[in-house]
Amino acid sequence: DGGITQSPKYLFRKEGQNVTLSCEQNLNHDAMYWYRQDPGQGLRLIYYSQIVNDFQKGDIAEGYSVSREKKESFPLTVTSAQKNPTAFYLCASSSTGGAYEQYFGPGTRLTVT
Amino acid sequence: SQQGEEDPQALSIQEGENATMNCSYKTSINNLQWYRQNSGRGLVHLILIRSNEREKHSGRLRVTLDTSKKSSSLLITASRAADTASYFCATVGSRGSYIPTFGRGTSLIVHP
Repeated sequence: DGGITQSPKYLFRKEGQNVTLSCEQNLNHDAMYWYRQDPGQGLRLIYYSQIVNDFQKGDIAEGYSVSREKKESFPLTVTSAQKNPTAFYLCASSSTGGAYEQYFGPGTRLTVT
Repeated sequence: SQQGEEDPQALSIQEGENATMNCSYKTSINNLQWYRQNSGRGLVHLILIRSNEREKHSGRLRVTLDTSKKSSSLLITASRAADTASYFCATVGSRGSYIPTFGRGTSLIVHP
């Protein structure tokens, strides 16, 4: 089955620890994205990548880092510098070269205490 | 950055009724997309309508786009309890980046 997966579904961390969220897709999409969603809010773009080994900051990149070493994978690290890391994190992918719809993973709910 | 704003924020209806959600935006677009999100899940793409299109249908969904008013509407006909979800519009600008910008969504509850 083609799709996009995120793991884990729930993640708990202590304040001051870095944590990495996984995102994998087998849709052969060039572009991948990370969003953050807070309760009652829309999606805010953290980072995106349109090609392997290249990525760009979104609207709220501070305190986050990413890598894109493989087309299929786009992990997100939430660093201890992120002031309010508790949120629902969504990964998405899409084709490039035009305006296409995005395909989303099931999300990871991160709780930092 | 450009953002679609959905209206109403919340909508509660009975099964069988129609549900209409609206989205307004500020600058010119390449296309506008509607997504659905069930509680605690990822978003699912519903319909993409391009700036030169006025109406699109998919099953019980009907989307209209009025570029002169910079607005779009999503109509769900004969709603079902399973339609309970949040619905988001996302706009893609006509210049530069093709990344959609999402609004805050409309929370729809359909009572059986």
